[in-house]
Amino acid sequence: ETGVTQTPRHLVMGMTNKKSLKCEQHLGHNAMYWYKQSAKKPLELMFVYNFKEQTENNSVPSRFSPECPNSSHLFLHLHTLQPEDSALYLCASKLRGAETQYFGPGTRLLVL
Amino acid sequence: SQQGEEDPQALSIQEGENATMNCSYKTSINNLQWYRQNSGRGLVHLILIRSNEREKHSGRLRVTLDTSKKSSSLLITASRAADTASYFCATDVNRNKLVFGAGTILRVKS
Repeated sequence: ETGVTQTPRHLVMGMTNKKSLKCEQHLGHNAMYWYKQSAKKPLELMFVYNFKEQTENNSVPSRFSPECPNSSHLFLHLHTLQPEDSALYLCASKLRGAETQYFGPGTRLLVL
Repeated sequence: SQQGEEDPQALSIQEGENATMNCSYKTSINNLQWYRQNSGRGLVHLILIRSNEREKHSGRLRVTLDTSKKSSSLLITASRAADTASYFCATDVNRNKLVFGAGTILRVKS
């Protein structure tokens, strides 16, 4: 248990659906991250938030929309996804300026 | 292009043997970190080595860093079946983000 939780753990959605992934950290961190992990590919950084402000968008398609209402919560809103978006989506957090990130267990997403 | 690249892509050993994984990177770094991921789970931080360090130990883990060659290695000694996982190196280029490699899949047979 790393102190970072993600829900749901598994999600199946059609290309026309709208869904949201949730991440919550109980570590008092102030930087949060979304990563995408596809089979046999390196972890891809998607978004970075520092103190609720988005500081990095790694050229992510607009069908992925992040939201960070406070330093403890991070959402990833999904709409009109494509089958190639099927992947494990990982959330991570850390203290800004610290070196180590703490990861949640991930949400396994399947887009049909 | 990706910053960290692990070698080998997959490694299968017997319990009790040592496992060595290598990582190469391209740019200057502040530190290099190794993470472990059990199947379909999140990543867990194992060990960090700073750019001015050459070797670091933590339990059965030994990490080396050669900044002149832009490479690092992770050695797991006396491996156990529970060490079966994917191992990733990650380079800290700035304090805000890490760049991960594709990982080495380690299988330890009992």
